[in-house]
Amino acid sequence: KAGVTQTPRYLIKTRGQQVTLSCSPISGHRSVSWYQQTPGQGLQFLFEYFSETQRNKGNFPGRFSGRQFSNSRSEMNVSTLELGDSALYLCASSLSQGGVGTNYGYTFGSGTRLTVV
Amino acid sequence: KNEVEQSPQNLTAQEGEFITINCSYSVGISALHWLQQHPGGGIVSLFMLSSGKKNHGRLIATINIQEKHSSLHITASHPRDSAVYICAADGGSQGNLIFGKGTKLSVKP
Repeated sequence: KAGVTQTPRYLIKTRGQQVTLSCSPISGHRSVSWYQQTPGQGLQFLFEYFSETQRNKGNFPGRFSGRQFSNSRSEMNVSTLELGDSALYLCASSLSQGGVGTNYGYTFGSGTRLTVV
Repeated sequence: KNEVEQSPQNLTAQEGEFITINCSYSVGISALHWLQQHPGGGIVSLFMLSSGKKNHGRLIATINIQEKHSSLHITASHPRDSAVYICAADGGSQGNLIFGKGTKLSVKP
């Protein structure tokens, strides 16, 4: 069974540009979550999508957005890149069917390492 | 104070030693996750706990809900166990995990 696939693995962008990252979940997983990891802040939750709807959002500015397609693949977009956006961006998929309080494990991708110069 | 605290931050052990990593949390949870991250970034989910104890091979995870504390133990440690171990509190809120800062483990042969 294929794992969670993130593309690209590495990306270098210039300040002010925008970037789109992709995440393909495990087949059958309809929940996709995104996380940012930096040396200073560690891992932080960005947002979660289920059945093409954003169900939950972390405390990030509006420059960070995402979407999910009908095949559960998800993309996240960062506009007007800043140097501080340099980070490892991880996505994770889950069998979560919906409803607060249900717990399923997460399967993480290998991440996209974004460098903003 | 962070909502999820891990200790120690760094840990060096000799091959074969028994290792314990601790995680304390102050938020309400429906589950606690232990994750392993190797250099290069990919994260592997080791355990999801809501009560008691789980084990898988040489790894054991325990949780005490009343004390809001969890531990990850590695028996007979091996250099391939060298990685960053991260605990994450899961309030059941669709992806919104609260992560500890991680424990960097180095096992010397």
